[in-house]
Amino acid sequence: QSALTQPPSASGSPGQSVSISCTGTSSDVGGFNSVSWYQQHPGKAPKLMIYEVTKRPSGVPDRFSASKSGNTASLTVSGLQAEDEADYYCSSYAGDDTWLFGGGTKLTVL
Amino acid sequence: EVQLVESGGGLVQPGGSLRLSCAASGFTSRSYWMHWVRQAPGKGLVWVSRINGDGSSTTYAHSVKGRFTISRDIAKNTLYLQMTGLRAEDTAVYYCATGDSHAFVIWGQGTMVTVSS
Repeated sequence: QSALTQPPSASGSPGQSVSISCTGTSSDVGGFNSVSWYQQHPGKAPKLMIYEVTKRPSGVPDRFSASKSGNTASLTVSGLQAEDEADYYCSSYAGDDTWLFGGGTKLTVL
Repeated sequence: EVQLVESGGGLVQPGGSLRLSCAASGFTSRSYWMHWVRQAPGKGLVWVSRINGDGSSTTYAHSVKGRFTISRDIAKNTLYLQMTGLRAEDTAVYYCATGDSHAFVIWGQGTMVTVSS
């Protein structure tokens, strides 16, 4: 059960777009359409931003989008805003009713 | 308001035990699978355990299997995590979360567990 691989950091200026990758294997990310993404501000609980690879829960801005190709999933934040600065985590179902998280990416809005 | 509230965290010595609780309100939690996810200080999220709606099926991460037990009291709308044989590496904020479509939908605010002598 190895963690999914995310870049430790990403950054962009207000209004720009930034993408965060999440790499797993054919046993997790590549094997299921069950990748989700979470936003976590310092000292706060995580918040679901994307589920089932591309779906946004009610209330999540459409500036947040996601995709998957093979064993790698990606989250894209368009029109960056100051409040988007946070840690972002991907997660994938890994079979046998187990789940994996990525190591997290710190997004900085310059 | 839909809410999950964890409790039961604290300081415990290595080898000790602790039971965490997660009280659900504003919805019937038995309709959902429930999870425990932890986060060591300054580190990332790690999935710990899950239980199905009626409590009949559970799974665990390798790192806690045999030491932690997840359970739920449907009548009390409450989720539990019994932790035994605690180690320093179990030190973390423990979150409970509802599960749906293989995602963690509603999260509690977390409860801190510190394992230290």
